[in-house]
Amino acid sequence: QVQLVQSGAEVKKPGASVKVSCKASGYTFTTYSVHWVRQAPGQRLEWMGWIDTGNGNTRYSQNFQGRVTITRDTSATTSYMELSSLRSEDTAVYYCARGPSWGNGCYGYWGQGTLVTVSS
Amino acid sequence: DIVMTQSPDSLAVSLGERATINCRSSQSVLFSSNNHNYLAWYQQKPGQPPKLLIYWASTRESGVPDRFSGSGSGTDFTLTISSLQAEDVAVYYCQQYYGFPIAFGQGTRLEIK
Repeated sequence: QVQLVQSGAEVKKPGASVKVSCKASGYTFTTYSVHWVRQAPGQRLEWMGWIDTGNGNTRYSQNFQGRVTITRDTSATTSYMELSSLRSEDTAVYYCARGPSWGNGCYGYWGQGTLVTVSS
Repeated sequence: DIVMTQSPDSLAVSLGERATINCRSSQSVLFSSNNHNYLAWYQQKPGQPPKLLIYWASTRESGVPDRFSGSGSGTDFTLTISSLQAEDVAVYYCQQYYGFPIAFGQGTRLEIK
């Protein structure tokens, strides 16, 4: 069965970086895209960007341009999301989700979420 | 960017009654070449990731009870729960995937009256 398993919770200081992993199983990794979505406390879901797992191409939300990097390791069937220059407003649950190979689609499978807390 | 706006923000409905949630996009999400509305609905319960209920505005995801239905086209959409069950208490989100950035509505909290 399809599974996306994310790394554990993180606590970071302002200005630091965080890297969250998302290990996929149960399907051919390179035939679906991976998207990253975050949810700050009490806020709506916010799309951050996506990666074409086949060729590694990425596209990011302008809200995170320059601070977010999404990568993948096809041999490990894992995607990574790194967010830099963290501030308190980045405290949120970060999700990975499986999307269609062409990118813009909806998400039938999600990771369990990773809580990132930014606090001095 | 396409902005998604849901109404109401919260809703209380009696068990067995109908619940209706609305979603409006700031521009059309209907792709004319395939006549598909790039609009999905999700259900999210506390401590869980969102669960896909409806895609293409009206296609129910496999395993989703048929009391859930989606309708609408262009810029105005509706999620209807025909007979509310206790397990339907959750926050519901619409999502447009017509273009980037992908965007979600602010959510509608559904409770039992």
